[in-house]
Amino acid sequence: DTGVSQNPRHKITKRGQNVTFRCDPISEHNRLYWYRQTLGQGPEFLTYFQNEAQLEKSRLLSDRFSAERPKGSFSTLEIQRTEQGDSAMYLCASSPGRINTEAFFGQGTRLTVV
Amino acid sequence: LAKTTQPISMDSYEGQEVNITCSHNNIATNDYITWYQQFPSQGPRFIIQGYKTKVTNEVASLFIPADRKSSTLSLPRVSLSDTAVYYCLVGDVKNTGTASKLTFGTGTRLQVTL
Repeated sequence: DTGVSQNPRHKITKRGQNVTFRCDPISEHNRLYWYRQTLGQGPEFLTYFQNEAQLEKSRLLSDRFSAERPKGSFSTLEIQRTEQGDSAMYLCASSPGRINTEAFFGQGTRLTVV
Repeated sequence: LAKTTQPISMDSYEGQEVNITCSHNNIATNDYITWYQQFPSQGPRFIIQGYKTKVTNEVASLFIPADRKSSTLSLPRVSLSDTAVYYCLVGDVKNTGTASKLTFGTGTRLQVTL
C-alpha cells in the first residue's frame, strides 16, 4: 500500500497524558498537512509542512500541540497534557506540490481522551 | 479565504444523476474549486478540481459558470456506495505560501437508496 499511513489508528488516553501520532506520507510528496475532525464537522486545518519547514500553524494549534517533520519525510503530531476536548479524528494528508495539488489523506488516528 | 455554502444534505435513488451546487461568491482570481468525498471513519478523497468552465473525469463532472461564483458537482448514475459527505473547497491551492491549506466546510451528506 503506497498511500498515506497513519499510526496508531485508535488511541485511548487518560486526561493529562501525552500522546504522539505518526504520519508517513506518500513517497516524494513534499507537502504534508495535519487536520482535526470532530463528529459532524469537516476537517479543520492544524498545520502544514513544505518539506521539513513548518510554514503555517492554525490558531487551533495551542502550545500543547507540536508537529515535526524531520528530514522532510514522516511527521509526528504530539499533544501534551491531553484534555477531553482534544478527542477527535486527526488526519494527515500529503500532496506532490505546486503542479499537482491533489491532497491524499490517510485514514486518520481517532483519539479518545477519558 | 472564500467561504462556501452548500446544502446540508441530499437524497437520491440509485441510478439517478446527482448535482450538488456550491456557492462561493467571494472567490478570488487565483482560487481553484476542489471537491472531496468522505466516507465514515475514512479520510477525505479527492474527486475533482477545476478553475473554469467544465472538467470531467472518470468519477464526476464539475461545472463552473463564467462568473465562478458557484460550481456544480455532477455524479452520474449514483450507486449505494456513493453515500458519503461531499465537500466543496475554494482556495489558492497552487500557492506554496500560507494560502495553500484546504478549508473544509460542513459538506453535503448524500444518501443514496434503492
